Amino acid sequence: NAGVTQTPKFRILKIGQSMTLQCTQDMNHNYMYWYRQDPGMGLKLIYYSVGAGITDKGEVPNGYNVSRSTTEDFPLRLELAAPSQTSVYFCASRTASGNTIYFGEGSWLTVV
Amino acid sequence: GENVEQHPSTLSVQEGDSAVIKCTYSDSASNYFPWYKQELGKRPQLIIDIRSNVGEKKDQRIAVTLNKTAKHFSLHITETQPEDSAVYFCAASAGNEKLTFGTGTRLTIIP
Repeated sequence: NAGVTQTPKFRILKIGQSMTLQCTQDMNHNYMYWYRQDPGMGLKLIYYSVGAGITDKGEVPNGYNVSRSTTEDFPLRLELAAPSQTSVYFCASRTASGNTIYFGEGSWLTVV
Repeated sequence: GENVEQHPSTLSVQEGDSAVIKCTYSDSASNYFPWYKQELGKRPQLIIDIRSNVGEKKDQRIAVTLNKTAKHFSLHITETQPEDSAVYFCAASAGNEKLTFGTGTRLTIIP
């Protein structure tokens, strides 16, 4: 199993541009998450999904959108990028019955 | 919603000494408390967790204690080693979909 795979690993965006962070998992996990981690800070939940076709907002959803068309994929869309969105983004997943969350390797995003 | 506070934000200990990191939570319905370790530039990884039906759990040099009445839980690392240097995050969940993280503790082991 590859686990949770995120792409790209690094990206520089200009203010106002849009992009999609890709996330896929091969563990057949129902639950998937997107977190952001600002420098020296904790993890804040952006969006999550409990299954294909179901998404819900976390603590900091503004400026982002998600979709969950399949169990495996949970892309995060940034519309009109702003400097405040400069962060490390982690995708994660777990089973519906388990508690352990498995993280991807992270995507470093800089908005200039 | 749940709020998790973590202290201290930084901690330096001599190699071989013990380290203790403390967290408090606000939601009395929370029943699952994991600890994650994040090395520089890497992803967070689960190192130990505890559920509300036990008060303490150990795994070699790592232990976690839980006081449900006071709504706090702690991570204890004994006989610290240089490879223990990392950022540690506590988290809490009420058994639902979401896990709320603390703000992290940067632990430095001084050789």
